[in-house]
Amino acid sequence: DAKTTQPNSMESNEEEPVHLPCNHSTISGTDYIHWYRQLPSQGPEYVIHGLTSNVNNRMASLAIAEDRKSSTLILHRATLRDAAVYYCILRAFRLIQGAQKLVFGQGTRLTINP
Amino acid sequence: NAGVTQTPKFRVLKTGQSMTLLCAQDMNHEYMYWYRQDPGMGLRLIHYSVGEGTTAKGEVPDGYNVSRLKKQNFLLGLESAAPSQTSVYFCASTNGEFDTGELFFGEGSRLTVL
Repeated sequence: DAKTTQPNSMESNEEEPVHLPCNHSTISGTDYIHWYRQLPSQGPEYVIHGLTSNVNNRMASLAIAEDRKSSTLILHRATLRDAAVYYCILRAFRLIQGAQKLVFGQGTRLTINP
Repeated sequence: NAGVTQTPKFRVLKTGQSMTLLCAQDMNHEYMYWYRQDPGMGLRLIHYSVGEGTTAKGEVPDGYNVSRLKKQNFLLGLESAAPSQTSVYFCASTNGEFDTGELFFGEGSRLTVL
């Protein structure tokens, strides 16, 4: 299974943009890039996902490198509520049983300063 | 819709006791997962299921058993609890389509083994 690498922690200020990087150099052509976040004492929640093109939704933007070996989650204006652990995972499509084995890495702990 | 519901939310066991965690989803999802999360760490996959009647091992399956007798339920069993199994357990579910995104998580079950 392809793996992802993220910085252990990052810090930013409220109302400023945040760029959270993720490396996935062994990604295969059919792997989707997914981002989840986990607020304190809660289960993870979906943020965004993409395959090749950049994606935007109400929560964030996802910028995917042309070679797909890295991606960046962009929070355009961070709020205190965005303080969480952010996980970048690869969701793979395989033509075999058991394809959907989703493995989370350590994630990036994002701290937002008031 | 309730989404993903985990029962119980809290439990204290003595070493050697057995228990079962229940995960129920009402979204007709094919795939279900059990993860554990230890303090300061990411999620580790215990077991997963790609459909009713199927189960498969994840990263840390030892000491756990699972069953998926009904599509909406995924049970995680501890036959003889050990202190090392003290953790927060998260259940998640998703549909079988690799490109539609969201993995839905439960709120977690906090288990303490004395």
